[in-house]
Order: sequence, then structure tokens, then C-alpha cells
Amino acid sequence: ETGVTQSPTHLIKTRGQQVTLRCSSQSGHNTVSWYQQALGQGPQFIFQYYREEENGRGNFPPRFSGLQFPNYSSELNVNALELDDSALYLCASSFLSLETQYFGPGTRLLVL
Amino acid sequence: AQRVTQPEKLLSVFKGAPVELKCNYSYSGSPELFWYVQYSRQRLQLLLRHISRESIKGFTADLNKGETSFHLKKPFAQEEDSAMYYCALSQRSQGNLIFGKGTKLSVKP
Repeated sequence: ETGVTQSPTHLIKTRGQQVTLRCSSQSGHNTVSWYQQALGQGPQFIFQYYREEENGRGNFPPRFSGLQFPNYSSELNVNALELDDSALYLCASSFLSLETQYFGPGTRLLVL
Repeated sequence: AQRVTQPEKLLSVFKGAPVELKCNYSYSGSPELFWYVQYSRQRLQLLLRHISRESIKGFTADLNKGETSFHLKKPFAQEEDSAMYYCALSQRSQGNLIFGKGTKLSVKP
């Protein structure tokens, strides 16, 4: 059984740029959730995708967008990067929306 | 508003001592509570889930709806328990998790 993987592991961007983060869900899982974890904070829910449709969204602006593909992998896109977007971005997959979520190792984004 | 509060940023105990990591929540419905753990250089992983009522690695947690708490306990701490612990709740109507800020547990030899 393959666990959740994320790429890249870390990257550096400048303010105003755009970034795409990728997540491969665990085998057999059809739901992907994205979280932002700022330094010293717990993860904060960005949005969730179930069967390629957005299935819930946290308090994040529209410049945070996502996609889920037929193989249930997912992308998180952030436009017009701001300094406060610097954080660890976590992806979690589950079999269904309410089932246990399994986390990937995260992508650390630094915005300069 | 739904909220999870972990009042201690850092908890330091000696090996063999009892451990209690506090978690309080605010939720208007019937929540589902979790404890997640993150060991050094590892990913966030589920420790236990209140509906399963399991004991994992000697840890237990009881949901107290009257006090809106879900404290994590272990009678005898081990050095390998040193990690970051996050309490989280899941809103039954949605699938997202609401996390506390976490408590760093340090178990000294």
C-alpha cells in the first residue's frame, strides 16, 4: 500500500508569483484535503476534493484553488503569492470525506 | 465557532511519569475527536480516534461532553513518546479537521 506523497518537498518563490503543489493520494482513497500549517500553528483546512469536485472550503481567498484528477491525485494552486503564504502545505487523503485522513510529508513553501 | 484549544505549548515530564495532554473543544453539534502525533522528521499520523475507543502505544483519551474535553493520557511516559501532539475535531457535516495549535511533549530520561 502506497502512502500519500507530495511534491516538491520545498520551494522558494517571490511575492506575486504563482505556485502549484501536487499530491498523490493513498491507494484506494478518493478524497483529498489540503491544509496550511504556519510556523507554530496547527494545520488549517484549505479545501477538500471528493471525486473531482470541491467538497468543502475553509476560510481562504479565491487565489487558493485546486483540482482533483480521475486518479484522485490533486493539485493546490496559489496565485499572487504573499509573504504570509509561507508555510508547510499538507495534503491528506481518505476513503470517504468522513473517514480517517492520512497525511503526506508536506511541501514547505517560502515566499520572499 | 468551532475551535480546538490545547492550553500547553510544551509539556516536559520524566520517563515513567504519567502524562496528560489537555484538549478542549467548542462545537455546537456532535463532534468526532482525534489525536494526531508528529514524531521528529516524520509526517503527521493518527494516534487515536474517539469512536474507536482504542488504546494506542499506551495512550487513551476519553471524550467528556460535559466539560467539552478530550484529554490524552498515558500512565507511564517513555522517551520515544517525545513528539508534537495535535488534537483535532471533525465536523460531521463536512470532512475537514479543525486542529489545535499542538503540544510538544518532551520526555526526559
